[in-house]
Amino acid sequence: GAVVSQHPSWVICKSGTSVKIECRSLDFQATTMFWYRQFPKQSLMLMATSNEGSKATYEQGVEKDKFLINHASLTLSTLTVTSAHPEDSSFYICSARQLGQANYEQYFGPGTRLTVT
Amino acid sequence: QKEVEQDPGPLSVPEGAIVSLNCTYSNSAFQYFMWYRQYSRKGPELLMYTYSSGNKEDGRFTAQVDKSSKYISLFIRDSQPSDSATYLCAMSAPGGSYIPTFGRGTSLIVHP
Repeated sequence: GAVVSQHPSWVICKSGTSVKIECRSLDFQATTMFWYRQFPKQSLMLMATSNEGSKATYEQGVEKDKFLINHASLTLSTLTVTSAHPEDSSFYICSARQLGQANYEQYFGPGTRLTVT
Repeated sequence: QKEVEQDPGPLSVPEGAIVSLNCTYSNSAFQYFMWYRQYSRKGPELLMYTYSSGNKEDGRFTAQVDKSSKYISLFIRDSQPSDSATYLCAMSAPGGSYIPTFGRGTSLIVHP
């Protein structure tokens, strides 16, 4: 149980285009989803927290107009990187927390590697 | 100073060795302490968690928390090549939905 999937697992796009990454909780309802980015040999950096049906809460320094997050259902959240630039190339990971779950518990997706050329 | 400090390694050990992975932190409000394992190009998976101070054992893994020193450890006994991965510590405090703060991870290599 508690499986989180991400799609695509790997994407290459040209500078200036937009890319959408999907995060799905496969066997549970995710009331809260988190989006992280991770650079090589660096820690997970939280980008935003989204609760189903609400606007996402972005961390300081994360441009909400560039990284659009939608959490329209209890099993799906999407991250759209708009007007992508090479510096947006990174590993994007989502995680999900279930209602009533212990505070420390969140289940991570396998990640999406974005390369912007 | 970062809230959570973790040596990135790599830490290379022979198979069967006891591995010690550590993190220090500065926020005394942290109450939940977690260890995640992340294989290359994969998402992290929760290995162990500890609430407040103390020890917790699960098979070959032991997690220790020393809140007085703001120091946590993960010990791996009888290490195996399959343990080769990056180990991230994470910790969270009440308030702010307990969103964890992660260390940068320690790369562990267990060679046969």
